[in-house]
Amino acid sequence: EAQVTQNPRYLITVTGKKLTVTCSQNMNHEYMSWYRQDPGLGLRQIYYSMNVEVTDKGDVPEGYKVSRKEKRNFPLILESPSPNQTSLYFCASLGHANTEAFFGQGTRLTVV
Amino acid sequence: AQSVTQLGSHVSVSEGALVLLRCNYSSSVPPYLFWYVQYPNQGLQLLLKYTTGATLVKGINGFEAEFKKSETSFHLTKPSAHMSDAAEYFCAVSGNNFNKFYFGSGTKLNVKP
Repeated sequence: EAQVTQNPRYLITVTGKKLTVTCSQNMNHEYMSWYRQDPGLGLRQIYYSMNVEVTDKGDVPEGYKVSRKEKRNFPLILESPSPNQTSLYFCASLGHANTEAFFGQGTRLTVV
Repeated sequence: AQSVTQLGSHVSVSEGALVLLRCNYSSSVPPYLFWYVQYPNQGLQLLLKYTTGATLVKGINGFEAEFKKSETSFHLTKPSAHMSDAAEYFCAVSGNNFNKFYFGSGTKLNVKP
């Protein structure tokens, strides 16, 4: 089954404690992306990757890092989380000649 | 640059009534247009998409949308709402820069018995 898998689904952490949210896709897609969803703002892109070792900033990259060492994985790293990063995060990969985004189930992060 | 505007953050309809969720976009290039649905505590699921060809697009669960270039719109409709349609719906656009999808702010659909 084609899917994008994020872990964990839920995470509560404290300010400043480094964390990583993993994302893996089994569709051999080159393009992957991270979004955050906040009420009334829709989804905003954090970072994207067009292929292995190729990443770039989206609209709201501050406070986040990513890496793309292999095609299937695209982890999101928060080196020093702050409360304003409390949000719902989605990983997506792009298929069908880049015309369809497949989303993970989401990671609800709370930073206290 | 692309952007998406969804009119109405909350829409409420009665079961069996017409569903109309509005989406307008701005794009400097011919757009690809999408509607996604998000059920509570779940990810986004593609309802339908317009890339090229026929401007009336049919999707899953009886939804359809029409691309109207002159109105820069891509409204989502369903003739008869079901209780199971209650969810949040997102319109999105991407252009020839496939690096990015631009999402609207979402519309929560409530279906009353």
